[in-house]
Amino acid sequence: EAGVAQSPRYKIIEKRQSVAFWCNPISGHATLYWYQQILGQGPKLLIQFQNNGVVDDSQLPKDRFSAERLKGVDSTLKIQPAKLEDSAVYLCASSLDAQTGELFFGEGSRLTVL
Amino acid sequence: GEDVEQSLFLSVREGDSSVINCTYTDSSSTYLYWYKQEPGAGLQLLTYIFSNMDMKQDQRLTVLLNKKDKHLSLRIADTQTGDSAIYFCAERYGGSQGNLIFGKGTKLSVKP
Repeated sequence: EAGVAQSPRYKIIEKRQSVAFWCNPISGHATLYWYQQILGQGPKLLIQFQNNGVVDDSQLPKDRFSAERLKGVDSTLKIQPAKLEDSAVYLCASSLDAQTGELFFGEGSRLTVL
Repeated sequence: GEDVEQSLFLSVREGDSSVINCTYTDSSSTYLYWYKQEPGAGLQLLTYIFSNMDMKQDQRLTVLLNKKDKHLSLRIADTQTGDSAIYFCAERYGGSQGNLIFGKGTKLSVKP
């Protein structure tokens, strides 16, 4: 079974530029999550999708972050404009059973904002 | 607000047992989890425990839950160098459909 795929693995941009990350979850997983992991901290949820609908985006900085999952499969997370404090690893995860919380994570996309 | 606390570092010798501790705040948490993260990789679920259980054992892993003290621990028996990683405790906050709140992670170093 293929795991959660993310790209790009690494991205370096200057502040005020924009960036987009892509995620392809495990086939058949209806729930998809984007987490932000700042160095030395645990992952923090940005947004949760159930199929193509948003379940929770309460911690997403909506003035600069956006995410979509148009066909209920792949998802894109965008940051525009980026700030220095957005430097982090952006982890995508998917789950088959949202209730038990067994999340399957991708390897992450490491963003450095200069 | 909700919070999950863990010690940041633990160092053990190969063959010893490792015990990683965690405290959480949400008394209504239904599930509690241990995830493992190796360098450059995403998180991998190690084990989870339902809140009505006190203990769960899975091969070399033993999870203990003290709901009264909101304390969770992970014991790794016969720790190997391959167990070196960061271990994250997480609670499901806000009921059965709530989100996972992760601790900052405990970096386990295993010395030969």
